[in-house]
Amino acid sequence: GESVGLHLPTLSVQEGDNSIINCAYSNSASDYFIWYKQESGKGPQFIIDIRSNMDKRQGQRVTVLLNKTVKHLSLQIAATQPGDSAVYFCAQSGGNDMRFGAGTRLTVKP
Amino acid sequence: NAGVTQTPKFQVLKTGQSMTLQCAQDMNHEYMSWYRQDPGMGLRLIHYSVGAGITDQGEVPNGYNVSRSTTEDFPLRLLSAAPSQTSVYFCASSYSGGGAPNEQFFGPGTRLTVL
Repeated sequence: GESVGLHLPTLSVQEGDNSIINCAYSNSASDYFIWYKQESGKGPQFIIDIRSNMDKRQGQRVTVLLNKTVKHLSLQIAATQPGDSAVYFCAQSGGNDMRFGAGTRLTVKP
Repeated sequence: NAGVTQTPKFQVLKTGQSMTLQCAQDMNHEYMSWYRQDPGMGLRLIHYSVGAGITDQGEVPNGYNVSRSTTEDFPLRLLSAAPSQTSVYFCASSYSGGGAPNEQFFGPGTRLTVL
């Protein structure tokens, strides 16, 4: 069946460095690709999304890149801060359905 | 605004018991959904609703029922709890369906254990 997966389950970066979290997807028919952040004990929080007809979108300290040729999505976090430590999920949506990947745990070292 | 609220925060059930997880939002969102989150896995969509009186199945609907009688409330019912339903359950809402926009607001979750 269709799936959304992640290359790495954990990522550790030094405070101030840039972080790159990757995601592979298999459903080419999705309208949107989305990134969520989940801190321990909380519900997921929307970060940024990108429409399927775009290849790059920037937010505040975050950039999402979409490569439809290789079905790859990435989230770049600039100047990573301790508050960025969390699990990051990619998701893809089409119509009213949304499918999440398994998540990558980002740890920021001081 | 309180956002999305869920009750209870924790629940322990015995196999075969039934219960209802409550979810409410005060943002006048049309779209509401229920997910379950298991260790090492992403969230999986159980049921969703695009408006009052309209519900539909998601990826893993078996063993769960929903109803949407008002815009604000979207309860999830476990008909006969099984150990496989041990999970953390999240309710979410947004202005429209998952197609656009995608900014779903999630509740704090209900941690359910079925013995």
